[in-house]
Amino acid sequence: GAVVSQHPSWVICKSGTSVKIECRSLDFQATTMFWYRQFPKQSLMLMATSNEGSKATYEQGVEKDKFLINHASLTLSTLTVTSAHPEDSSFYICSASPLDRADTQYFGPGTRLTVL
Amino acid sequence: AQSVTQLGSHVSVSEGALVLLRCNYSSSVPPYLFWYVQYPNQGLQLLLKYTSAATLVKGINGFEAEFKKSETSFHLTKPSAHMSDAAEYFCAVSGAGGFKTIFGAGTRLFVKA
Repeated sequence: GAVVSQHPSWVICKSGTSVKIECRSLDFQATTMFWYRQFPKQSLMLMATSNEGSKATYEQGVEKDKFLINHASLTLSTLTVTSAHPEDSSFYICSASPLDRADTQYFGPGTRLTVL
Repeated sequence: AQSVTQLGSHVSVSEGALVLLRCNYSSSVPPYLFWYVQYPNQGLQLLLKYTSAATLVKGINGFEAEFKKSETSFHLTKPSAHMSDAAEYFCAVSGAGGFKTIFGAGTRLFVKA
């Protein structure tokens, strides 16, 4: 149980285009989902906290207009990288916390974004 | 404010030897502490977590960690390393309720045959 999926797992896009990444909790409902970014050989940096039905809370330094987050249901959150540039290339990981276990995060497998 | 420091970006042990990965934390509130493992191009898998219950926490794959408040440490250990333990390990801290988890820089574990 407690599986989180991400789609796609790999994406390559041209500079200037937008890319949407989906994060789904497959067998539980998640009030809160988190989006992280991980550069090669570095740690995870929290980008934003997403709560179902409300606006996401972004960490300092993260551009809200560039990284659009939508948490439309208790099982789905999406991250859209708008007008992507090569510096946005990274590994994006989401996590989700079950309704009844807010102290637990289940992580998705990650999405590798490469912007050419 | 919370922070995590992992001592040593790389640790190398021989197969069968003791694994010790060090983590020190700073937190203005009673912390929840976590150890995660990450294999290449994969997400994170929870090894174990401390949430103010027993200070010695046992996790999966034979790992355990001890919460020492006086030393603000939460070191990860395993008595005998296996080749399959080679991976990146992250220590993390959050406040009660688990929100806004802060991750350490990570420690890559190498296991030599």
